[in-house]
Amino acid sequence: GQQLNQSPQSMFIQEGEDVSMNCTSSSIFNTWLWYKQDPGEGPVLLIALYKAGELTSNGRLTAQFGITRKDSFLNISASIPSDVGIYFCAGCQNTGGFKTIFGAGTRLFVKA
Amino acid sequence: EAGVTQSPTHLIKTRGQQATLRCSPISGHTSVYWYQQALGLGLQFLLWYDEGEERNRGNFPPRFSGRQFPNYSSELNVNALELEDSALYLCASSLGRISGNTIYFGEGSWLTVV
Repeated sequence: GQQLNQSPQSMFIQEGEDVSMNCTSSSIFNTWLWYKQDPGEGPVLLIALYKAGELTSNGRLTAQFGITRKDSFLNISASIPSDVGIYFCAGCQNTGGFKTIFGAGTRLFVKA
Repeated sequence: EAGVTQSPTHLIKTRGQQATLRCSPISGHTSVYWYQQALGLGLQFLLWYDEGEERNRGNFPPRFSGRQFPNYSSELNVNALELEDSALYLCASSLGRISGNTIYFGEGSWLTVV
């Protein structure tokens, strides 16, 4: 079936470093979404991308919708300890109804 | 404006029992989604309801079922509970199936089967 390949699986970084993670697929998506999940809580939407090539920022976060519509990346600049969590990408297709597929997540650990 | 709300927050059941989880979508949203997230794992799609009908179902056995009410709230029922059903159950909502391609999650309901 369809799947998203999200990488890396986990990252261990120092506070202040920049972070980059990405998702790729063999399928085309109409929308790319990035979520962050803190331990024991539900995922929170960080950035939504609706157009190929779109580059969107939300504070220290920047995400891009790949031109081929098969990939997306999320960058976090100047990481801080509260950035710790699991980051999920999700691709959405409109196939007579919206089908959203999630990546397996990137676990981010930030050392102060 | 209230987000997606779920209840209960935590639920402990015995193997073989039934569990019912509830979800209220964001006001104006007509689509509700259920996901299962076992500890340390990703999001597994369970069910999607829109306008009161089941629109899509993930790869789960029939003992996982649900429904959507006229006010668009939803409940997830898990019958004949098994130990491996222990997980965080996440509900999400979006605008309807014509225009709702961005989903928003609730805080989740922790189900523990002992």
